Amino acid sequence: SQQGEEDPQALSIQEGENATMNCSYKTSINNLQWYRQNSGRGLVHLILIRSNEREKHSGRLRVTLDTSKKSSSLLITASRAADTASYFCATDAGGQNFVFGPGTRLSVLP
Amino acid sequence: NAGVTQTPKFQVLKTGQSMTLQCAQDMNHNSMYWYRQDPGMGLRLIYYSASEGTTDKGEVPNGYNVSRLNKREFSLRLESAAPSQTSVYFCASGRDSSYNEQFFGPGTRLTVL
Repeated sequence: SQQGEEDPQALSIQEGENATMNCSYKTSINNLQWYRQNSGRGLVHLILIRSNEREKHSGRLRVTLDTSKKSSSLLITASRAADTASYFCATDAGGQNFVFGPGTRLSVLP
Repeated sequence: NAGVTQTPKFQVLKTGQSMTLQCAQDMNHNSMYWYRQDPGMGLRLIYYSASEGTTDKGEVPNGYNVSRLNKREFSLRLESAAPSQTSVYFCASGRDSSYNEQFFGPGTRLTVL
């Protein structure tokens, strides 16, 4: 089974609202990354959080990591229509091997 | 800088045909990766290359071969395509360790009839 699982599978919000998506994983990790994918495009890296970090910010993004619960959350504040995309968490499975979850599809309605 | 480029963008094959997907990066990265993306499955790693001259299997290597031609180029070959290989294929590159982000190409949409 996959290492990372995002929740919810799909999320629809109004512009200006905050969006929160979660990622759970099964085994110990060195770091966890979040990526965004616009429809029909490749993935774009958003943020990396190491296992010894609890929270990280980048612009309107806030990522938390709880290693005791094996979970992470991505918060997008003051969402915009341009944030409409799929969001994936990726955990390292050792060495060069990343494992991606199935993603959360976010729709931000104008 | 072009980043990561992939060719072709689209391809339709018949069962049993062969083809090679090309990938190149101009960021001087050591590591390169091939993933496939199926609906509802996220990305699954097919093969990766930690450095020029080395390749390793990922989660789903069966039916594929790879070649790390040089530091810039990493190709993926389907010797005898099957309908189960219908997918979107992404190439990515990164620096030396898993602490670094991966940079993705635009993808190749492959349909096997």
